[in-house]
Amino acid sequence: AQSVTQLGSHVSVSEGALVLLRCNYSSSVPPYLFWYVQYPNQGLQLLLKYTSAATLVKGINGFEAEFKKSETSFHLTKPSAHMSDAAEYFCAVSDGSGGFKTIFGAGTRLFVKA
Amino acid sequence: DTAVSQTPKYLVTQMGNDKSIKCEQNLGHDTMYWYKQDSKKFLKIMFSYNNKELIINETVPNRFSPKSPDKAHLNLHINSLELGDSAVYFCASSQLLGQGEKLFFGSGTQLSVL
Repeated sequence: AQSVTQLGSHVSVSEGALVLLRCNYSSSVPPYLFWYVQYPNQGLQLLLKYTSAATLVKGINGFEAEFKKSETSFHLTKPSAHMSDAAEYFCAVSDGSGGFKTIFGAGTRLFVKA
Repeated sequence: DTAVSQTPKYLVTQMGNDKSIKCEQNLGHDTMYWYKQDSKKFLKIMFSYNNKELIINETVPNRFSPKSPDKAHLNLHINSLELGDSAVYFCASSQLLGQGEKLFFGSGTQLSVL
């Protein structure tokens, strides 16, 4: 069965510092992987999606993620954090099983300090 | 124009009552979903519909009954509300039913059962 694990429920960085949010997945077949962002009192928005075309995926707002099959990881990074990046980030997996479900991780809250 | 809109945004009610949440998408998508987000931000799929046909029903109590009158609408009716039903409910849609589809989320309905 597919699943994702996000390491760290909270991450705090200073403005301008590197952002690294960790995600590991489990899937019996090559998966599609996603990162979504949720700002306060809003729904989730897609940041980026891995579809096997390239292992390094670039998304919106300067975020990118690298798919590493050997480590079953899909970590999200951004070189320089901005105050507006403060939000909840969700890693998700879809491998076609169970009626094409998208399964979400527990989320990581990103805090950005001035 | 809001792509996925759900009403109401807030719903406060007493235990035992029956309530409905409505969702509409104007994206022309084939597939719609209901997700439940608990107080720890964990997001879990409840139902999905494709062209008005129920695809996913995730061990949700039968007090929850989704209804899809047409492709653009997916409503959620909840009977005999319980304290544990308190959560944020998100409607979402995707263009197609398939692996790797991007989900478009509404802004959520915060349900509080007293």
